[in-house]
Amino acid sequence: ETGVTQSPTHLIKTRGQQVTLRCSSQSGHNTVSWYQQALGQGPQFIFQYYREEENGRGNFPPRFSGLQFPNYSSELNVNALELDDSALYLCASSRPGTGGYEQYFGPGTRLTVT
Amino acid sequence: QKEVEQNSGPLSVPEGAIASLNCTYSDRGSQSFFWYRQYSGKSPELIMFIYSNGDKEDGRFTAQLNKASQYVSLLIRDSQPSDSATYLCAGRGYSSASKIIFGSGTRLSIRP
Repeated sequence: ETGVTQSPTHLIKTRGQQVTLRCSSQSGHNTVSWYQQALGQGPQFIFQYYREEENGRGNFPPRFSGLQFPNYSSELNVNALELDDSALYLCASSRPGTGGYEQYFGPGTRLTVT
Repeated sequence: QKEVEQNSGPLSVPEGAIASLNCTYSDRGSQSFFWYRQYSGKSPELIMFIYSNGDKEDGRFTAQLNKASQYVSLLIRDSQPSDSATYLCAGRGYSSASKIIFGSGTRLSIRP
């Protein structure tokens, strides 16, 4: 176990709805990254948060947004859900001093949009 | 062209043999590379990272990086059935250091 936790584990939503996914990083890890992994594909980088600020973003539309809290936990919010948003959402935390080299993934949240 | 490319496999290797997994990347500015193992239904697990040309060994695993050829590989010695998984190669760019690009993964199957 990596010490990174995510909630919920599974979620079913309807197209057009909004969803919030949560991540609790490993103790002492101040950087959190979020990824989307479709079936049979590698994870795709959504964005990264460092000390509560967005520190890089992948090719995802603005309806994907996030937050990082003072305790370094994080949220991923997705508005106006589309069928293609169905995927495994992963968060990964990194400890200070590694430059984000070592990322430890949580178990993921499986989102199904119907 | 994908930024990080891997052969999807499956790659079948007999138990005890060496498994060789390969990855190429298109961004010459990429600084660091990572190998993750992902069991079915689980999240990726970091095996190794490498950022200098040459070899890096950790137990049964050896990562190799050739920046001139834009090529990364992972060798698994004495392959075990428990090594059967999908192996993800990932690279970290120079222009956006926070962004890690993953390949689609290679499925490895170790046959007893």
